[in-house]
Amino acid sequence: SAVISQKPSRDICQRGTSLTIQCQVDSQVTMMFWYRQQPGQSLTLIATANQGSEATYESGFVIDKFPISRPNLTFSTLTVSNMSPEDSSIYLCSVLGDRDGYTFGSGTRLTVV
Amino acid sequence: GNSVTQMEGPVTLSEEAFLTINCTYTATGYPSLFWYVQYPGEGLQLLLKATKADDKGSNKGFEATYRKETTSFHLEKGSVQVSDSAVYFCALKNNFNKFYFGSGTKLNVKP
Repeated sequence: SAVISQKPSRDICQRGTSLTIQCQVDSQVTMMFWYRQQPGQSLTLIATANQGSEATYESGFVIDKFPISRPNLTFSTLTVSNMSPEDSSIYLCSVLGDRDGYTFGSGTRLTVV
Repeated sequence: GNSVTQMEGPVTLSEEAFLTINCTYTATGYPSLFWYVQYPGEGLQLLLKATKADDKGSNKGFEATYRKETTSFHLEKGSVQVSDSAVYFCALKNNFNKFYFGSGTKLNVKP
């Protein structure tokens, strides 16, 4: 199955700033998915990133707040813009694996102060 | 609609105890069902899956059976170890490859 390298693994950021999270996959994949996992809660899909087209955002998430890039079939970035403490979460990227389930990156633990 | 409900935690067990984490779902169509595990400080890993009714997924001593009649996919293990301490997520994937996750159940296993 695919191996995903995600970075940074954690960061502490000042409110009002932005953070870009990177995900690199060791094989070409059509779709990459970005999730948020707020403290003590389950995963919420932010958006689906397709190579060569704009990302598809889920209800409650907008491009201005979470711009996504997908320059090729192995790489994607998610930016968390104009951060507030409410954005403190774990952010995860994932791809559909060959076993029909998701393969996840190791996550980025973001704390906004 | 699609949703997954799993038992609230934390669940605290002694080593070698029997584990059950309940998971029920609602879905349109014929979903695939999954259990994911998240060890402390790590991302989610696929633990097991089942793609159709009566299928049993198993891995690392864990197993779960896809029960369509009760819309359930309960996770079981006969003898837990301290190293099983983690958060367990039940999930379904619908016919459009969209995933829905339960809220997670934290398992603490004490020596």
